[in-house]
Amino acid sequence: EDKVVQSPLSLVVHEGDTVTLNCSYEVTNFRSLLWYKQEKKAPTFLFMLTSSGIEKKSGRLSSILDKKELFSILNITATQTGDSAVYLCAVRSSMEYGNKLVFGAGTILRVKS
Amino acid sequence: SAVISQKPSRDICQRGTSLTIQCQVDSQVTMMFWYRQQPGQSLTLIATANQGSEATYESGFVIDKFPISRPNLTFSTLTVSNMSPEDSSIYLCSVGLGTPFYEQYFGPGTRLTVT
Repeated sequence: EDKVVQSPLSLVVHEGDTVTLNCSYEVTNFRSLLWYKQEKKAPTFLFMLTSSGIEKKSGRLSSILDKKELFSILNITATQTGDSAVYLCAVRSSMEYGNKLVFGAGTILRVKS
Repeated sequence: SAVISQKPSRDICQRGTSLTIQCQVDSQVTMMFWYRQQPGQSLTLIATANQGSEATYESGFVIDKFPISRPNLTFSTLTVSNMSPEDSSIYLCSVGLGTPFYEQYFGPGTRLTVT
């Protein structure tokens, strides 16, 4: 059965800290790995990673994928209170009829001012 | 990306009734999905909404309970039928954009409470 495991489950940091969120996976027919930020209801798309070793970057957020070791990390530098959210990792695997995203449980990040 | 809207944004329903959730996208998309997020849980795929044919349901979800329509490439509905308190969840519409590795975007969600 496909599995995505995120760690830590939650963490609390102070503004200005750097955080690293982890995502490991076991899926058949890996296609891509996606990171989302979820505040309130809707997950907001952050990154999609398909190739090992290529860092995706957007402002203070960056992410990298290791397909050999089956994990990805999401880094947030100089954290702000607005970064407080649930961060979701999802892996897309190929199925007979198409593709599906398998989500991890998420990491709850709280940034204190 | 795509602009995705959902209606209603929230509702409180009585046990045994049905609710239909609408999802509208601002551009034509091939891949459209419905997800459920139960309280304190992560997202679970209910089904892939196929344009012009029956939806493809994931294990544990059936058409009688969650009928889906997809009349065109910009619109879909999900009905939650004969509701029970266990159906209280956030329901999310999602679309896939780009090939061959498509990014996936989510609508604002519908928060359903069944009493």
